[in-house]
Amino acid sequence: QVQLVESGGGVVQPGRSLRLSCAVSGFTFSNYAMHWVRQAPGKGLEWVAIISYDGSNKYYADSVKGRFTFSRDNSKNTLFLQMNSLRPEDTAVYYCAREGASYSGIDYWGQGTLVTVSS
Amino acid sequence: QSVLTQPPSASGTPGQRVTISCSGSSSNIGSNYVYWYQQLPATAPKLLIYRNDQRPSGVPDRFSGSKSGTSASLAISGLRSEDEADYFCSAWDDSLSGWVFGGGTKLTVL
Repeated sequence: QVQLVESGGGVVQPGRSLRLSCAVSGFTFSNYAMHWVRQAPGKGLEWVAIISYDGSNKYYADSVKGRFTFSRDNSKNTLFLQMNSLRPEDTAVYYCAREGASYSGIDYWGQGTLVTVSS
Repeated sequence: QSVLTQPPSASGTPGQRVTISCSGSSSNIGSNYVYWYQQLPATAPKLLIYRNDQRPSGVPDRFSGSKSGTSASLAISGLRSEDEADYFCSAWDDSLSGWVFGGGTKLTVL
């Protein structure tokens, strides 16, 4: 079965860096685009970034552009989100998620990992 | 402020039909597919509707989606207590070159 498992969350001071990982199994990872979506405590969903199946194309939300870098290792079925210059407003649960084929939406989500940016 | 606008709350009694709206613009809903997600308390979101009005396998036909111009709607008929959740609409935005979500609608089953 499809599984997405995020890790790397925690408490970090403003201005510092953190790297999230997402280990994927249960499908041919290299065939699918992938997302990061975040949710601040008690708030709605905010899309963060998307990466193409081969990592050649990436798009970012304006709120993280220039600070976050999305990458993937198709040989290890793993996604990475490098987050630099973190701000308190980056505090959220971060979900990795799969973009389904043929415009079928974000069809699988991980359980999320909490990032807290606080001094 | 979310790019897509949803009412913050909606409610209904068991068996009723409830509709949740999602308003956007020509750069998102007006020119791209709309998706709906359901988020039960303390869980990850789940895909409910894709490509405006398509249901993934396993989603009951009580849930339906529609789109007209720059707006979309999610309808839930035969409301059940387990439908109590947050609902989010989403679309690709050509101007932003990114995905956008609505602010979410909290559905309460009275």
